[in-house]
Amino acid sequence: KNEVEQSPQNLTAQEGEFITINCSYSVGISALHWLQQHPGGGIVSLFMLSSGKKKHGRLIATINIQEKHSSLHITASHPRDSAVYICAVRSSLSGGYQKVTFGTGTKLQVIP
Amino acid sequence: DTAVSQTPKYLVTQMGNDKSIKCEQNLGHDTMYWYKQDSKKFLKIMFSYNNKELIINETVPNRFSPKSPDKAHLNLHINSLELGDSAVYFCASSQRKNYGYTFGSGTRLTVV
Repeated sequence: KNEVEQSPQNLTAQEGEFITINCSYSVGISALHWLQQHPGGGIVSLFMLSSGKKKHGRLIATINIQEKHSSLHITASHPRDSAVYICAVRSSLSGGYQKVTFGTGTKLQVIP
Repeated sequence: DTAVSQTPKYLVTQMGNDKSIKCEQNLGHDTMYWYKQDSKKFLKIMFSYNNKELIINETVPNRFSPKSPDKAHLNLHINSLELGDSAVYFCASSQRKNYGYTFGSGTRLTVV
């Protein structure tokens, strides 16, 4: 079983809908990232969280450290939000270094 | 422009060849990474370099070797290419203290 699980794997929504993508992890982490990969392949870092909640435009990311769970919300979804959203967690290794584990991604398609 | 740039964008080569992918960042970040994204779109870390020292090598075959002439560059050399090496390879960088990532645009490697 992957240390980072995302759900759903695929999501189709109508323009304007509120969207939630979930990420659960099984290891202790120092931070969690949400990444966006567009159909053209480029990857953009959306958020880095270690606690609480962050908001950027129509995107909101939350994390519950005790439950080992994070959510990415998109309000008033738009076709340009169509992309693969990837959750990644950082966990500590000995010597103060970090290991990064990625989820398998959630493919979102927003239909006009 | 401040960015992570990697070249080439596309690389088609025959089995058995040796090839290199270059990566440069002008963000002043102290850590650089190479990731492999396979056909199932799963991202996996290959190497992480911090201040010219390799700190993570996720059991990557020794045909792959990262070369860092300075902290702004992390090149990926691949010897004796195999069909299974076909994938998209992403370079990224971060500053250890804030952990935010910046990704390059990816190199699509096809081994024929």
